[in-house]
This record gives sequence, C-alpha cells and structure tokens, in this order.
Amino acid sequence: DTAVSQTPKYLVTQMGNDKSIKCEQNLGHDTMYWYKQDSKKFLKIMFSYNNKELIINETVPNRFSPKSPDKAHLNLHINSLELGDSAVYFCASSTGTSKADTQYFGPGTRLTVL
Amino acid sequence: EDKVVQSPLSLVVHEGDTVTLNCSYEVTNFRSLLWYKQEKKAPTFLFMLTSSGIEKKSGRLSSILDKKELFSILNITATQTGDSAIYLCAVRLGNAGNMLTFGGGTRLMVKP
Repeated sequence: DTAVSQTPKYLVTQMGNDKSIKCEQNLGHDTMYWYKQDSKKFLKIMFSYNNKELIINETVPNRFSPKSPDKAHLNLHINSLELGDSAVYFCASSTGTSKADTQYFGPGTRLTVL
Repeated sequence: EDKVVQSPLSLVVHEGDTVTLNCSYEVTNFRSLLWYKQEKKAPTFLFMLTSSGIEKKSGRLSSILDKKELFSILNITATQTGDSAIYLCAVRLGNAGNMLTFGGGTRLMVKP
C-alpha cells in the first residue's frame, strides 16, 4: 500500500494555465506539507497544514494555494503558471505533534511549464 | 535566516570505501535534525537526531549530532553501488507548522 501518493506524476502545461496536483496519505497523519524541489535538487517547504492551521512559507507566491477536502488529502492549486514554476513538487505527511515526528514523502510530481 | 549547509556537494567513491557527509546548521529554535536519502523519486527517511553525542545506526549507515558545534555527520561504511543517491539533511524547527528546512544535498556516486 502506498503511504503518500500524488497525481499526476508528470504534468506538462502552457504558461498562464491553472493546474492542480493531488495528494493523499493513508497513514492517519494530521499534518501534510508541500515542498518544491528545483533543478538543483534544493527542497524548499511551501506549506504546512493540519486540520486547524495553514502555515505558509512567506516566499511562496499567492498563485499557489493548498486545499484540503479532508484530513487525508491536501491538493495544490496553481494559478497563472509561470516558467519558473517548473520543478518537482513533493507532498509529505507526518503526525505533526511529537518531538519524534518524521515526515514521509510522496513520489513527486514533475511539473513542466512551457 | 535559518540555514542548513551540506558538504561536499558531490562525492565519487569506489565500492568498499567509507564516506562521511557533513551537515551544518544555523537556525533559531532547533528541534531535530533528519537525514534522508533520495534516489530517483521521493526522499526516504534515514535518521532523526535530537540529542548530542548519541549515535544512530542502521546497518552500514550511522549518524551523530553535535548541538554545541551545530553540525551532524552521516557515515556510510563499505559503500555499495546501491548507496548512490542524493543525501539530504533537514532541520526541524520548533515553530508553528513543523516545517523542515533542507540543505542542498550531497550527491554520492559509488562506482563498482
């Protein structure tokens, strides 16, 4: 069973379009995250979300918005896509509560903006 | 600004060699340090360190944290080609959101 899954795996789209990436976790975790990994493989946090609180990394443009229909899902919506949005986007989840908290990552979605 | 720096950026060794990967950090409100291995897809969890001087070990991999000098090392002994990957160090801060701040990674290539 896949613990953290994302769809689609690959997404190719034109500049200016709006797209969504879906994430689901079956670990029963309370907190989910989105990360962006650029071409130099640098992973950067975008959002942290649990059923109470959304924390946004201040460097993330407001064209990006997470949407959580329920505790097991955190989707990422991106409006007006730009070339610089091309990257691999990882979803992750964790219990988010204890000192021993560990984040588990999904397989990633490679977004290419043309 | 919180910062996590890994060195070396890349490393090429031969099977059987021992490697040491470094991770230094300057952050406010440190909570824990984590190591991940990333092959082709998702980073996979290796270790979490919260206390200084206590070595964590898993097979040929081990890691230790020094909270006074603000660094951690990841050792891999008797390397194998399957160890080839990017190794990521991340610091978990004690602030809201439970976010991880990642270093730039060390790309390890193990040649037969």
